[in-house]
Amino acid sequence: QKEVEQNSGPLSVPEGAIASLNCTYSDRGSQSFFWYRQYSGKSPELIMFIYSNGDKEDGRFTAQLNKASQYVSLLIRDSQPSDSATYLCALGGSGGYNKLIFGAGTRLAVHP
Amino acid sequence: ETGVTQTPRHLVMGMTNKKSLKCEQHLGHNAMYWYKQSAKKPLELMFVYNFKEQTENNSVPSRFSPECPNSSHLFLHLHTLQPEDSALYLCASSQEDREVNQPQHFGDGTRLSIL
Repeated sequence: QKEVEQNSGPLSVPEGAIASLNCTYSDRGSQSFFWYRQYSGKSPELIMFIYSNGDKEDGRFTAQLNKASQYVSLLIRDSQPSDSATYLCALGGSGGYNKLIFGAGTRLAVHP
Repeated sequence: ETGVTQTPRHLVMGMTNKKSLKCEQHLGHNAMYWYKQSAKKPLELMFVYNFKEQTENNSVPSRFSPECPNSSHLFLHLHTLQPEDSALYLCASSQEDREVNQPQHFGDGTRLSIL
């Protein structure tokens, strides 16, 4: 089992809809969770991070963490074509501080 | 502008060449990282430096040699690379924190092609 699992996609949603991106992980010791957005040919850009169970909202983005079920999600409300990118989930904590484990990413396509 | 600058942006080299990648961060961070990103694979952590000291070497072949002269600068020296080393090499930085992982901020990367 991979340490961090993401559906590779593409996840296709219409403009204005809610995009839901999911990430499951195997290490129960993980303590910190990050979502990055990566446009084709560009570097990863931090979108959100979450440390505690529950929801964390920032503008159109909401991160949801459920440590008991070992998943973390990213919701994007009012999706725009500019949101089309690959979204990377990353975990930190039990592997040592300052060490993040990345998933392979989910490609999101928002069509007009 | 992410606050992390990498040069060069693109590099083509032969297998017998020696070259270096450079990374500089202007965020006041004290942890720096090298990652490798190959097509359709997850980001692979290569090296971690905290306060100029190497704290992680993720079983990286010796043909990759990192150097961290201070908390703001990080180099990756390349020597006798193989075609499978062609990839995007990303530098990142973060605040060092022994309690919880702080967010890492990435540079734009160096696209490396080995002939």
